Amino acid sequence: DAKTTQPPSMDCAEGRAANLPCNHSTISGNEYVYWYRQIHSQGPQYIIHGLKNNETNEMASLIITEDRKSSTLILPHATLRDTAVYYCIVRVPGKLIFGQGTTLQVKP
Amino acid sequence: GAVVSQHPSRVICKSGTSVKIECRSLDFQATTMFWYRQFPKKSLMLMATSNEGSKATYEQGVEKDKFLINHASLTLSTLTVTSAHPEDSSFYICSARTEGQPLHEQFFGPGTRLTVL
Repeated sequence: DAKTTQPPSMDCAEGRAANLPCNHSTISGNEYVYWYRQIHSQGPQYIIHGLKNNETNEMASLIITEDRKSSTLILPHATLRDTAVYYCIVRVPGKLIFGQGTTLQVKP
Repeated sequence: GAVVSQHPSRVICKSGTSVKIECRSLDFQATTMFWYRQFPKKSLMLMATSNEGSKATYEQGVEKDKFLINHASLTLSTLTVTSAHPEDSSFYICSARTEGQPLHEQFFGPGTRLTVL
């Protein structure tokens, strides 16, 4: 099973871009990278996913390196409501296994 | 996205009693439901996967006789914590998806906070 490594915590100034890194050096060729976030005492929320190409949606952008061993989630203009734990997941077939995640604190 | 609800949102019970938590998919048919447990300041831990009409598949280390899971319909799964003890106090989260849909179309409930006195 591919594992992910994320920094335990990060700070970001409100209005600035938040760049959250994730290492997944053992990822297989057909495994997607998923990002979820969990705001305190709520269920996780899907953000974005990708395989090889960079992806963008209304919430975030996902940059995956060419060797696919790491990726970066970008929140282009972080707000206070983006304060949450962000999880980078490489799926085990049929299920989502959560690692420790990165606690992002957006500060005024 | 689709909506998954949980009931109750909070429950307090005495040690030794059993507690049932419901997970419902409100606007789609959930062929597969997942139950997670989360301790304070920790990540979500997958407990079990249930498919409608079948027995649940439990993750290693999770006691199936302790945590009874029933997935009798395409919109409802229940988790019963039997003979609850204080160490079972945790945040329980369910998620649901439809077989054949992409994995990211797995929707999470708001969670149930269980406190065992």
